[in-house]
Amino acid sequence: NAGVMQNPRHLVRRRGQEARLRCSPMKGHSHVYWYRQLPEEGLKFMVYLQKENIIDESGMPKERFSAEFPKEGPSILRIQQVVRGDSAAYFCASSPVDRGKAKNIQYFGAGTRLSVL
Amino acid sequence: DAKTTQPNSMESNEEEPVHLPCNHSTISGTDYIHWYRQLPSQGPEYVIHGLTSNVNNRMASLAIAEDRKSSTLILHRATLRDAAVYYCILGGSSGDKLTFGTGTRLAVRP
Repeated sequence: NAGVMQNPRHLVRRRGQEARLRCSPMKGHSHVYWYRQLPEEGLKFMVYLQKENIIDESGMPKERFSAEFPKEGPSILRIQQVVRGDSAAYFCASSPVDRGKAKNIQYFGAGTRLSVL
Repeated sequence: DAKTTQPNSMESNEEEPVHLPCNHSTISGTDYIHWYRQLPSQGPEYVIHGLTSNVNNRMASLAIAEDRKSSTLILHRATLRDAAVYYCILGGSSGDKLTFGTGTRLAVRP
């Protein structure tokens, strides 16, 4: 049973380019979350999606960042016109449909480390 | 969101038990207590969760105070592989996002 798959593991972009980060949730999971971890800082929530819907984007920067989770295929976190401050580790997590008490158990991928030159 | 307080760092010897404390004095009645850990260069990993009663699983035990204002994650025999940052997180009633604090960095001495 494969876990949450993120790719690429490492991504290097020059300032002004676009970065696309992919996340395939665990089989049977329909909830996806994105978190960002800046160097030497804690993890910060960015966005929570279900298939074809953004449920909570309260942690997303207002500009240049977008996320989607289409009916088919992985969830994508897209960063346009990257700047050096976007350099961070981006983690995706998934969870199953809530059928019980602890709906907040999330399973994380290994992350994508974005470096902006 | 209810806040948690954890020590910044702790040390343990290999094969000894480790007790990681967490204070959450403003916890609400419906908040679950979750523990995650993050090993170096990896994504966070779910460890255990509980509501009121103490919980055991293959990774750890969770002891919850009777008033629920604090909890303790117990690793029964620390191994070098348990060196990680441990996060105590409240949730389950107010949405699905996890709010990570600074956690406790556990070092395990051989």
